[in-house]
Amino acid sequence: DQQVKQNSPSLSVQEGRISILNCDYTNSMFDYFLWYKKYPAEGPTFLISISSIKDKNEDGRFTVFLNKSAKHLSLHIVPSQPGDSAVYFCAASARLSSGSARQLTFGSGTQLTVLP
Amino acid sequence: DGGITQSPKYLFRKEGQNVTLSCEQNLNHDAMYWYRQDPGQGLRLIYYSQIVNDFQKGDIAEGYSVSREKKESFPLTVTSAQKNPTAFYLCASSSPRRGTGYTFGSGTRLTVV
Repeated sequence: DQQVKQNSPSLSVQEGRISILNCDYTNSMFDYFLWYKKYPAEGPTFLISISSIKDKNEDGRFTVFLNKSAKHLSLHIVPSQPGDSAVYFCAASARLSSGSARQLTFGSGTQLTVLP
Repeated sequence: DGGITQSPKYLFRKEGQNVTLSCEQNLNHDAMYWYRQDPGQGLRLIYYSQIVNDFQKGDIAEGYSVSREKKESFPLTVTSAQKNPTAFYLCASSSPRRGTGYTFGSGTRLTVV
């Protein structure tokens, strides 16, 4: 039972164009959503997050949109650059139990390739 | 610079042997986690620890064990009971601030030969 889904395993876009990566979730208990970028044989690096009480968060070329009623979020990268080529993971956060630990549930990732 | 160090980067193990993956952090984070990544799949939670001397099973804990004797260290042992141990293992830690997510180490690639 996948609680976080990224239905597109890969995406190719031209340099300078917009990249749109999509993510769907099923658990209403998630209260934060995050995007991570990952290069091969490296750990994921945090990119941008959004609280469940917001519908948009922007940081430079990266914008995350949240549609809570549809349980859908998306990451927009404008303009796309060749250095953006990586695997992008969507993650949803919920508190594990009383205490500071929060579980991140990850999607299966989308390989973004930005063509020069 | 603060961060998480995982070692070794590559590890080979013979079938039937236990092996321990190291994870050290100097971020002063209370919570630490172990995830496993397989090709074409997302990261799956193996174990997590909220404080020293306490840890909890994640979604795929069978065949693994952990300890948390120090705040900075959260080693993972892959035992011979783990049926498919070949994978990329990621250690992470988190601060209580909700929006910041995890800080990940660079990972350990374990291969059973």
